[in-house]
Amino acid sequence: NAGVTQTPKFQVLKTGQSMTLQCAQDMNHEYMSWYRQDPGMGLRLIHYSVGAGITDQGEVPNGYNVSRSTTEDFPLRLLSAAPSQTSVYFCASSYKTHGLQHFGDGTRLSIL
Amino acid sequence: DQQVKQNSPSLSVQEGRISILNCDYTNSMFDYFLWYKKYPAEGPTFLISISSIKDKNEDGRFTVFLNKSAKHLSLHIVPSQPGDSAVYFCAAGISNNDMRFGAGTRLTVKP
Repeated sequence: NAGVTQTPKFQVLKTGQSMTLQCAQDMNHEYMSWYRQDPGMGLRLIHYSVGAGITDQGEVPNGYNVSRSTTEDFPLRLLSAAPSQTSVYFCASSYKTHGLQHFGDGTRLSIL
Repeated sequence: DQQVKQNSPSLSVQEGRISILNCDYTNSMFDYFLWYKKYPAEGPTFLISISSIKDKNEDGRFTVFLNKSAKHLSLHIVPSQPGDSAVYFCAAGISNNDMRFGAGTRLTVKP
C-alpha cells in the first residue's frame, strides 16, 4: 500500500532552472494538493485539484504550475526556480475536499 | 497572515507524564480542527481531529480540547511515551482548500 509517493526526495537547482516535482497516489482520491513548508511557518497550500482536469490556486501559487490529467498524478512545476522557492514540498491527497489528507514524505528542494 | 499559531516551538516532558500542546486560531469561521504528527524525513500523519460542534475528542492516549470562545485548541497526551517524540502540527479550516497549519511544536519525551 504505497499511499502518496513523491519523487525526487532531494533536488538542488540553479536559479532560473525549471523542474517538475512528481506526486502519485494509489488510493483513488479525488482531491490532491501541494504544500510548502518553510522554517518557522506552517504548511502553506500552493495549488490543489478536486479531480482530473480541475486545478485551482492556493495561498502561495506564484512561480508554480500544476496539471491533473489523471486521478493518480498531480505534478508541480517550477517554471523558473528562485532562491525563495527553497523549501520542503509535500503532496497530499484525500477522498473528497473535506476528507482527511494523506501526505507524501516530501521533496527537499534547494535553489542556489 | 498566520491564522493558526503554535506559540511553543518546543516542549520537553518526562516519560509517563502529560504532554499539553497548544494552538490558537483567529478565524471564527473555522469549523474543523486537526492535529498531525511528523517524524523526520516523513510526511505529516493524521493524529486526531475535532469539529466545532464538540469540545472534546478522545482517542486512546490522545485527547483534543476545543474552546471556541477563546479560539483555542489543545492536545493532551497521557501518558507520554518516548515514541511520541515528534513535531506536532495543528490545522484549522472549513475544507482542505482553506486549511491553515501552525508552525509546529517539537515534543521530546525523555525516558
